[in-house]
Amino acid sequence: GAVVSQHPSRVICKSGTSVKIECRSLDFQATTMFWYRQFPKKSLMLMATSNEGSKATYEQGVEKDKFLINHASLTLSTLTVTSAHPEDSSFYICSAGDRGMNTEAFFGQGTRLTVV
Amino acid sequence: AQSVTQLDSQVPVFEEAPVELRCNYSSSVSVYLFWYVQYPNQGLQLLLKYLSGSTLVKGINGFEAEFNKSQTSFHLRKPSVHISDTAEYFCAFYNFNKFYFGSGTKLNVKP
Repeated sequence: GAVVSQHPSRVICKSGTSVKIECRSLDFQATTMFWYRQFPKKSLMLMATSNEGSKATYEQGVEKDKFLINHASLTLSTLTVTSAHPEDSSFYICSAGDRGMNTEAFFGQGTRLTVV
Repeated sequence: AQSVTQLDSQVPVFEEAPVELRCNYSSSVSVYLFWYVQYPNQGLQLLLKYLSGSTLVKGINGFEAEFNKSQTSFHLRKPSVHISDTAEYFCAFYNFNKFYFGSGTKLNVKP
């Protein structure tokens, strides 16, 4: 299957700083990328959907100014957590699909963010 | 409303025993159904998917699932589990360019 690489796998940052997480599709062009947040012992919560070259569509309740998503190319999407606070600590996962994707999502390995 | 319900949050089972992880979905339209596995601190790996055709779907690592439209279920089964199957399993369906995930079932295989 297609490979999606997410970086970094773990990051610790100080409260008030910003953190950028990258999601790359290595062997296909990802026209759509999804960003999820996973709380402990909970399922994946879709945060936003990004389409290459356009603004991301955020789910209800997700602060777009806090979670900045950029999908500037067909192989890269980034999630920037701005002015991070301890409550932003979580596991963030991206997934990507290529043109006409309606049958599968390819997931990155996730990023464990800890804000201290 | 569209949703996925995984009825068991945890399933303990002994090694080499059979297991079934239950999943029910609610949708007013046809859906594509999936099972994913997640190991600690990792992303999701696709186990199997149902798109159309045969209602019995075989996946990786000896897992299979059966789509039952009348019961709106997509239960995951394995006839004999291994220690290495210990992980969290997510049922999901895809519709209108979004995935809807269940809350997950933690499978704990004991020796």
